Amino acid sequence: EIVLTQSPGTLSLSPGERATLSCWASQSVYSSSLAWYQQKPGQAPRLLIYGASSRATGIPDRFSGSGSGTDFTLTISRLEPEDFAVYYCQQYGGSPWTFGQGTKVEIK
Amino acid sequence: EVQLVESGGGLVQPGGSLRLSCAASGFTFSNNWMSWVRQAPGKGLEWVANIKQDGSEKYYVDSVKGRFIISRDNTMNSLYLHMNSLRAEDTAVYYCARIVAVTVSGLAHYGMDVWGQGTTVTVSS
Repeated sequence: EIVLTQSPGTLSLSPGERATLSCWASQSVYSSSLAWYQQKPGQAPRLLIYGASSRATGIPDRFSGSGSGTDFTLTISRLEPEDFAVYYCQQYGGSPWTFGQGTKVEIK
Repeated sequence: EVQLVESGGGLVQPGGSLRLSCAASGFTFSNNWMSWVRQAPGKGLEWVANIKQDGSEKYYVDSVKGRFIISRDNTMNSLYLHMNSLRAEDTAVYYCARIVAVTVSGLAHYGMDVWGQGTTVTVSS
């Protein structure tokens, strides 16, 4: 099983600032088979990124993903008020599919 | 409108059974793999199971193998999760999700792009 570790656990930033979220895998993720999801309280998750760097339909271009192998990053270039949420990485390159434990982006 | 609506959650005693349902609308249900994902109270997301378009392939997280069965009825546009021998640690919000497959540079990539609102399962005596 591929274990995903996200860092930091909580990120305290102000609107307009840049957010950098990390996701490390316990072993190489096949073909960058990694996705990122956003979840707000009381809501279902929302797909942001698949294939490590491809934005899902309707996702603003302030969200970008990068990385390969075991190290992946989600960057939010300028935080909007609606971006404060919990973010999860998820790998689908190996079975079972696994999620990271999440990074909470909170308003400073 | 593309939509998934779960139902069937509730309070069940340890060792009991429950069947969750997920009704799909607004898209061709038979074209997509489907997933169940759960979230324990105050915790992160955990993938539970996937099923192929025609139901011929099913995959499960180890913790539910032999106890849960994922199934689908494409004539009814519905996904199911049959849950047996329930344990306290199965307490969670259960989400169904549509899996979208996208080819990037010749490689298949996946994402869960449509989610239901979730149904709550509580296992307690």
